[in-house]
Amino acid sequence: DIQMTQSPSSLSASVGGRVTITCRASQNINNYLHWYQQRPGKAPKLLIYGASSLQSGVPSRFSGSGSGTDFTLTISSLQPEDFATYYCQQSYSTPETFGGGTKVEIK
Amino acid sequence: EVQLVQSGAEVKKPGESLKMSCKASGYSFTSYWIGWVRQMPGKGLEWMGIIYPGDSDTRYRPSFQGQVTISADKSISTAYLQWSSLKASDTAMYYCARRASWGTGYHFDYWGQGALVTVSS
Repeated sequence: DIQMTQSPSSLSASVGGRVTITCRASQNINNYLHWYQQRPGKAPKLLIYGASSLQSGVPSRFSGSGSGTDFTLTISSLQPEDFATYYCQQSYSTPETFGGGTKVEIK
Repeated sequence: EVQLVQSGAEVKKPGESLKMSCKASGYSFTSYWIGWVRQMPGKGLEWMGIIYPGDSDTRYRPSFQGQVTISADKSISTAYLQWSSLKASDTAMYYCARRASWGTGYHFDYWGQGALVTVSS
């Protein structure tokens, strides 16, 4: 299985601040990398697919970059509703695998 | 509007069986893979397996192969996740999700609301 490693596992940030989360794959996954947001008690929500494509309806403050093994999710100006846990997922090969998650908390 | 509506929470005893459902609407059920994802209490997301309702092609994560059965009934646009003998370690939230294609890849673009399974004696 391809291992997905996210860092950090948690972070504290202020409203209006910039947040960067990284995801590293154990092997090349081209751009088969997707990002999800999960608010407490809710189902995950797709934010970014194909490493950098913004899902319809997702605010433009979210962006993704990277290719190969190293990827980044950036939130340019954190809003109160962005406090959540974020997961990356690879779909390069089955079984598809998720990163361990990054919890974004209020500073 | 695409919707995936899952069956409700379940409380079961070890050794009991369970079949949970995921009813799809708002799109062609037979044209998209459906996946199942487990989330154990306080933990992250685990990809369990997928099914293509058009031809019932099914793939499992090896650790779930033989432990669960994924199926679909295209006549009622419903996917299922089934256990024949539950264990306490099956206690978790389970999500179904539609697997959309992009280029040659896939991602989960719509998710069910989740169904909590509690297995306890």
